[in-house]
Amino acid sequence: DSGVTQTPKHLITATGQRVTLRCSPRSGDLSVYWYQQSLDQGLQFLIQYYNGEERAKGNILERFSAQQFPDLHSELNLSSLELGDSALYFCASSVAEGGYEQYFGPGTRLTVT
Amino acid sequence: GENVEQHPSTLSVQEGDSAVIKCTYSDSASNYFPWYKQELGKRPQLIIDIRSNVGEKKDQRIAVTLNKTAKHFSLHITETQPEDSAVYFCAASGTGGGADGLTFGKGTHLIIQP
Repeated sequence: DSGVTQTPKHLITATGQRVTLRCSPRSGDLSVYWYQQSLDQGLQFLIQYYNGEERAKGNILERFSAQQFPDLHSELNLSSLELGDSALYFCASSVAEGGYEQYFGPGTRLTVT
Repeated sequence: GENVEQHPSTLSVQEGDSAVIKCTYSDSASNYFPWYKQELGKRPQLIIDIRSNVGEKKDQRIAVTLNKTAKHFSLHITETQPEDSAVYFCAASGTGGGADGLTFGKGTHLIIQP
C-alpha cells in the first residue's frame, strides 16, 4: 500500500458523459500527478499540481481538467467522453515539486460504452 | 519533449538467472530515472531510482546503471525469483527534476521460468 488513495475503483459510463476521479496523496506529499494507462498509448503523464497550483502539463486533452484543493486532494474531470478515453487513470504523489519518488495510487478503471 | 525507448518488450529467464532491461532517453537535461514494477491489475510500484550525479545504485538483488554520455540506463535483477514476474517500466524526467512529469518506456514483460 503506497498511501495514495483513489476513488472510485471502477467507473462505467456512456459516451458524451462527464466524470470526476478523486485522489488523496500520501500524508505530507504536496505534489499530485495524473497519468493515463492504455494498451495503445502506454503510461502517459497528464498533469501535475503542487500545493494547489498547476505545475506541468503533459498530453492532457482540452476535454480534461484537474484541480488540487486546499486539503491537497485532487480531482480529474473528464468531459464529453469518447470510447478512446477508456483506460486506467492513476494518480501519484511526491513530497516535493521536482517529481522525485512518485508513489502511485491503485487507479480508477474507466470504461466508456 | 522527452522520448524513452525500452528493450526488450518481453524477457524470459530461468529462475535463478539474471535479467537485464535497457532504456535510452532523448533529453540530455533529464536527471532522474526511476524504475517501476507493475503486476497485473495493480499500481506501478517504485522499485529503484537513480539521479544523474550517480553512475550506479544497488538495492539487494536489484541494481540500476546510468550512462549519461550515451543517454542510456539499465535495470539488473540477479538471482531471479518467481515473484519477479511482472511488467517493468523505466522512466525519465524531462526537465531535470520532474516538472514535466515522468516519461515512461513501453514496458518489459519479465517472465521467470521455474
